[in-house]
Amino acid sequence: SAVISQKPSRDICQRGTSLTIQCQVDSQVTMMFWYRQQPGQSLTLIATANQGSEATYESGFVIDKFPISRPNLTFSTLTVSNMSPEDSSIYLCSVEDPGIGADLDEQFFGPGTRLTVL
Amino acid sequence: QKEVEQNSGPLSVPEGAIASLNCTYSDRGSQSFFWYRQYSGKSPELIMFIYSNGDKEDGRFTAQLNKASQYVSLLIRDSQPSDSATYLCAVNRGGSYIPTFGRGTSLIVHP
Repeated sequence: SAVISQKPSRDICQRGTSLTIQCQVDSQVTMMFWYRQQPGQSLTLIATANQGSEATYESGFVIDKFPISRPNLTFSTLTVSNMSPEDSSIYLCSVEDPGIGADLDEQFFGPGTRLTVL
Repeated sequence: QKEVEQNSGPLSVPEGAIASLNCTYSDRGSQSFFWYRQYSGKSPELIMFIYSNGDKEDGRFTAQLNKASQYVSLLIRDSQPSDSATYLCAVNRGGSYIPTFGRGTSLIVHP
């Protein structure tokens, strides 16, 4: 199974600033995903990041607000731009691992970044 | 209607009892179904997956799938306080590698 680390683990930021979250995987993976989990809510996919191409954003999320980089097969960053208190959430990166079956891709999650915006 | 629905709970059961967690989904094209466990302050981890109608057992855990009724459930036998966590149901559409998650059910197992 993939081992994923994220930095920072938590941060408290001021309104209007930006924060870049780093995600490092111990093996090469094709797809990396960024999720948001707000208190009491489900995991919401922000975008899918492929190496060498633009990230694909889900409805309600835009590149200007959540720019993503994917410079290689083991690393990705998510920036939360021009933050407001509504951006306070846990941000998780994940990768898929086809190891459990040809049609069943398990998602492995990083430990998450707990963001509080004041 | 949300795509994947779960009762947020909390579901409280005594130690040793059977905990039953339920999940319904709206997309009939869904083909893969997952249960993730998330301890407080931790990231989700996969505990069960199922893709065929019927039951699938793994230790104290049993996943049940009924595609006709569009529900999937998780039974935890001999519940332990260490099972106290939020359980997330996730559903993949056929041909998609991206699951849709429910909001999770909080389970509390009290001694």
